[in-house]
Amino acid sequence: GAGVSQSPSNKVTEKGKDVELRCDPISGHTALYWYRQSLGQGLEFLIYFQGNSAPDKSGLPSDRFSAERTGGSVSTLTIQRTQQEDSAVYLCASTLGGTGELFFGEGSRLTVL
Amino acid sequence: AQSVAQPEDQVNVAEGNPLTVKCTYSVSGNPYLFWYVQYPNRGLQFLLKYITGDNLVKGSYGFEAEFNKSQTSFHLKKPSALVSDSALYFCAVRDVMDTGRRALTFGSGTRLQVQP
Repeated sequence: GAGVSQSPSNKVTEKGKDVELRCDPISGHTALYWYRQSLGQGLEFLIYFQGNSAPDKSGLPSDRFSAERTGGSVSTLTIQRTQQEDSAVYLCASTLGGTGELFFGEGSRLTVL
Repeated sequence: AQSVAQPEDQVNVAEGNPLTVKCTYSVSGNPYLFWYVQYPNRGLQFLLKYITGDNLVKGSYGFEAEFNKSQTSFHLKKPSALVSDSALYFCAVRDVMDTGRRALTFGSGTRLQVQP
């Protein structure tokens, strides 16, 4: 597709379950970001992939969070043993890198009961 | 380290009046600066960016921003606000020296309310 695609758009899960969120970036974009946004608040950086470089994982809030990017394209954010404080909208963005602007997906809204 | 501050949680302005949404930044070197807008229940959309050159940058929907190096600011402006401009606005920065190695850092956001 023409834009960044995220799935699922909505996910409701029970506390303690694992979830996977998927991001399909714009074709050819070398950089991919995951951010988290709680209740229309600011964006919290989670992880950043740039080409073949080691990802910047400095924003991951705990070791329950992990992400991978396969073949330099699709990325999956995994949250293990979900907690209620993990409830948020998880936003993915991609860019050509450098000075290019980020293109955001519509986000995956996660609700942990 | 890089950081960005948006000192106002909310800005209220009457339709037709000029608007300003404030942003200040901190980087070790020179900055790349961006503004994004988020309409209700939508993803973020790019408005404009400053990379180099003219300090006054024009962007989408009639918005512009002025880069002021001495004040480390990049305030977003529009001469005449529309009700449809009501949204959440984010400023973002990346240190030029860290391009390719660091993520874009976003501010906490400013909610703009334009009253009819």
